[in-house]
Amino acid sequence: GAVVSQHPSWVICKSGTSVKIECRSLDFQATTMFWYRQFPKQSLMLMATSNEGSKATYEQGVEKDKFLINHASLTLSTLTVTSAHPEDSSFYICSALTGPSSYNSPLHFGNGTRLTVT
Amino acid sequence: GENVEQHPSTLSVQEGDSAVIKCTYSDSASNYFPWYKQELGKGPQLIIDIRSNVGEKKDQRIAVTLNKTAKHFSLHITETQPEDSAVYFCAASMGSARQLTFGSGTQLTVLP
Repeated sequence: GAVVSQHPSWVICKSGTSVKIECRSLDFQATTMFWYRQFPKQSLMLMATSNEGSKATYEQGVEKDKFLINHASLTLSTLTVTSAHPEDSSFYICSALTGPSSYNSPLHFGNGTRLTVT
Repeated sequence: GENVEQHPSTLSVQEGDSAVIKCTYSDSASNYFPWYKQELGKGPQLIIDIRSNVGEKKDQRIAVTLNKTAKHFSLHITETQPEDSAVYFCAASMGSARQLTFGSGTQLTVLP
């Protein structure tokens, strides 16, 4: 149980274009999902918290207009990287809570999306 | 905010030996400590977690210990196998997943 599916697993796009990444909870409903960014050989950096039916909460330093997050249903959150530039190239990972966010519920991760902007 | 330090950054062991990864945290209010295994090109996978009301937890070859007084917790893997090779992350949280702070990761290599 608790499977989180992320799509695509990798994507190459040209500078200036936008890319959408999907994160789905397959066998549970997730009112809260999280988006992380990971640079090579580094730890995970939380970008934003995605809440179903409301606006996402962004971490300090993360551009809201560049990283658009939509959580329109209990099983799907999307991250759109707008007007992508080479410095946006990274490994993006989503995760979903299997229980209430206020009580340290286990966090399950998708398999990540490798974004390369040329 | 919370600060989690993880050591060592790399660890090589012979197949069958044990591996130990240690983490320290700064905020005594942290009460949840998960460990994640990340294989190359994949997302982290939760392998074991422990809450502050427990000192030790074991799941087959994997165990985690927690010392609240010293504010450190450790991952122990016994009888290591080549498929245990991966990056392992510890994390600490004070009450919600948003507050989850990750360690810097340990690259474990199990030599056949």
